[in-house]
Amino acid sequence: SQQGEEDPQALSIQEGENATMNCSYKTSINNLQWYRQNSGRGLVHLILIRSNEREKHSGRLRVTLDTSKKSSSLLITASRAADTASYFCAMTPSAGGTSYGKLTFGQGTILTVHP
Amino acid sequence: DGGITQSPKYLFRKEGQNVTLSCEQNLNHDAMYWYRQDPGQGLRLIYYSQIVNDFQKGDIAEGYSVSREKKESFPLTVTSAQKNPTAFYLCASSVLAGDYEQYFGPGTRLTVT
Repeated sequence: SQQGEEDPQALSIQEGENATMNCSYKTSINNLQWYRQNSGRGLVHLILIRSNEREKHSGRLRVTLDTSKKSSSLLITASRAADTASYFCAMTPSAGGTSYGKLTFGQGTILTVHP
Repeated sequence: DGGITQSPKYLFRKEGQNVTLSCEQNLNHDAMYWYRQDPGQGLRLIYYSQIVNDFQKGDIAEGYSVSREKKESFPLTVTSAQKNPTAFYLCASSVLAGDYEQYFGPGTRLTVT
């Protein structure tokens, strides 16, 4: 099954700076979702972008999707120490059938925001 | 409080023993999922279920088994056939319509020695 590739694997920034994480995937998708995971905890859904959308905003989050390049980026603006976490992209394939609802996750980007 | 609960948070077992991880949700979601996460890795799908009494293998089902006798519950058994069972196990659920955003439990860290 397809898997997302995320880069960078780790990102270290100062509070107040912007953080950008990228995700690439291999096959057609219905939507792409971003999740956050604090150390040793479950994942929390952040934002979703559908295949017919190019950009979406939610608070300090901005996600873009380029289906021609099969890539997405997540931008966190004015980062805070509390944003320190791992961030994962996840794709819903467009194949349908019994695949609907299944997500395929990237390996994640570890973000560290220094106060 | 609505959500997904997993228990226990930490689990220790001896090699050769089967162990069952609990997952319960009160979100009234039809679909439930089990993932495995290894250090520094993304999530890999073990099993998923879209309806009671039915479930499908994910990408790494070997050495695992599940049941779905109730909508709210989706326990995962890690059998002695699983060659490398030490990992962080996450349960999730979703509706079966719309965008399939998944809701995750807090996870169970299993250590087998």
